[in-house]
Amino acid sequence: QGQLQESGPGLVKPSETLSLRCTVSGDYIGTFYWNWIRQAAGKGLEWIGRMHIRESPDYNPSLWSRVTISLDTSKNQISLNLNSVTAADTAVYYCARGYGNFDLWGPGTLVTVSS
Amino acid sequence: DIQMTQSPSSLSASVGDDVTISCRASQDISNSLAWYQHKPGKAPKLLLYATSRLPSGVPSRFSGSGSETDYSLRISRLQPEDFATYHCQQYYGTRTFGQGTRLE
Repeated sequence: QGQLQESGPGLVKPSETLSLRCTVSGDYIGTFYWNWIRQAAGKGLEWIGRMHIRESPDYNPSLWSRVTISLDTSKNQISLNLNSVTAADTAVYYCARGYGNFDLWGPGTLVTVSS
Repeated sequence: DIQMTQSPSSLSASVGDDVTISCRASQDISNSLAWYQHKPGKAPKLLLYATSRLPSGVPSRFSGSGSETDYSLRISRLQPEDFATYHCQQYYGTRTFGQGTRLE
């Protein structure tokens, strides 16, 4: 069974780019679909997007203009870039494995957008 | 987007109780529904997929049912480790989640 671990800055300034990585151990990332999901305080989970090594990424329409998800097979990592952030992007960010449902998640990392 | 409305938002129960959590979709999602258990600071855990299928390792006291727009998660004989937040999620369209139910 694989394990996922998110990492990245915990504080990002408004209008800047949020950049996170998810390191996968125990699985080869080229085999599965990988997702980013977030949860703001007091709100439900929000799917950000999905990536597979052999397909174009698929993003939530509400975020597509600001999001980039990519895979680094040499490091077995999934990356998330979210640009032009505002306070509304403050959330716990999770990476997760799967296409429809998500059978493996990381513990999440809190990102706060503040000056 | 398909909206998922989960109820109740919180639920008080005791060890040994049976509880049911509901999830309603804004359109027919053809059983493309999953449930997750989430404890603070931990990775969410997949409990059920395709409405009623249990992944390996999930206890049989968790069960799911429903069709079209209405779905439910039932937990029988609550155990201490079951106190957590539960989320439903549809994967018929762009993935969306319910608001969560805190079981306390």
